Amino acid sequence: QVQLVQSGAEVKKPGASVKVSCKASGYTFTDYGISWVRQAPGQGFEWMGWLSTYNGNTNPAHKFQGRVTMTTDTSTTTAYMELRTLRSDDTAVYYCARGNSQDGAVDFWGQGTLVTVSS
Amino acid sequence: DIQMTQSPSSLSASVGDRVTITCRASQGISNSLAWFQQKPGKAPKSLIYAASSLQSGVPSKFSGSGSGTEFTLTINSLQAEDFATYYCQQYDIYPFTFGQGTRLEIK
Repeated sequence: QVQLVQSGAEVKKPGASVKVSCKASGYTFTDYGISWVRQAPGQGFEWMGWLSTYNGNTNPAHKFQGRVTMTTDTSTTTAYMELRTLRSDDTAVYYCARGNSQDGAVDFWGQGTLVTVSS
Repeated sequence: DIQMTQSPSSLSASVGDRVTITCRASQGISNSLAWFQQKPGKAPKSLIYAASSLQSGVPSKFSGSGSGTEFTLTINSLQAEDFATYYCQQYDIYPFTFGQGTRLEIK
């Protein structure tokens, strides 16, 4: 069965970086892309960007350009999202989600990774 | 960016009821619209893609319709497990934006 298993919770200080992993299994990894989405406490969803696991191409949301890097390791079927220069308002649950390579439609979600930014 | 607006923001209903949630896009998105369900403390679950296609394993009590700028999610015969927050998302144009959510509560 399709599974996306994310790395564990992180606590970071302002200005630091965080790298969240998303280990995929149960399907051909490069047949689907990955969307990264975050949800601040008590808030809705914010789409961060799209990662093609086929060729590594990315489409980060404008808001995160220059601060986010999305990468893929096909040998371990793992996607990564690194967010730099963290601020307190980056505190959120970060999700990876499998998306259709043709149009990006999401069908499966990871369990989420809580990233807390606090001094 | 395309703005997605859901209505209502919250909704009270009883077990057995049928409810409809609306999602409006600030510009046309063809049928590139998905619906998700989220329960407290849990990851979202995908319900519908392409505005009206059910994800595998999703019961037929859920249905979606619409195209262009106006979309609806209908849930028939509400059961206790359906009370949750529902979100729409457009994936026609980057960035893929979400509605603010509709909280469905038990009356």
